[in-house]
Amino acid sequence: KAGVTQTPRYLIKTRGQQVTLSCSPISGHRSVSWYQQTPGQGLQFLFEYFSETQRNKGNFPGRFSGRQFSNSRSEMNVSTLELGDSALYLCASSLDPGNQPQHFGDGTRLSIL
Amino acid sequence: DQQVKQNSPSLSVQEGRISILNCDYTNSMFDYFLWYKKYPAEGPTFLISISSIKDKNEDGRFTVFLNKSAKHLSLHIVPSQPGDSAVYFCAERAGGTSYGKLTFGQGTILTVHP
Repeated sequence: KAGVTQTPRYLIKTRGQQVTLSCSPISGHRSVSWYQQTPGQGLQFLFEYFSETQRNKGNFPGRFSGRQFSNSRSEMNVSTLELGDSALYLCASSLDPGNQPQHFGDGTRLSIL
Repeated sequence: DQQVKQNSPSLSVQEGRISILNCDYTNSMFDYFLWYKKYPAEGPTFLISISSIKDKNEDGRFTVFLNKSAKHLSLHIVPSQPGDSAVYFCAERAGGTSYGKLTFGQGTILTVHP
């Protein structure tokens, strides 16, 4: 059974640009959550999607957004990139929001120059 | 406001001995608790979990203990193996509409020496 797939694995951008990250959940999983990992803040929840609807949102500015498609695949977008957005972005999936555990992909390493 | 704390940034253990990783939480709404292991350049891997209605759960070498009155969670690994060397995160889930949100501790780096 294939795991959670995130693309790309690595990305380098400059300040002010925007970026889109992609996540394909485990087959049959309908809930997708996104997390940001930084050395200073640790793993922080960004948002959660289920049935193409955002169910929960973490404490991040509006520059961070996401969406989910009918096949449960999800994308997150960060606009007007700042140096502090450099982080590992992790996607996790589960059967549905009430079902644990969440299974994580290997993440996208985003570096802002 | 850090709702989940792993107070030990690192832990060093000899192969074959017990590793005990600890986690404290403040939010009494948490109803489900998980431990993840993370190797460099990989995503977190689920290890073991426990519901708030239990105080212990075992899976092979891994046992998780939950003390709700103390708001304390611990992971015991017996016996420890060099392959267990990784960063360990505790994570908690609140109930209600926050089912899909996990709150993580800062992580503990476990090193198991041969």
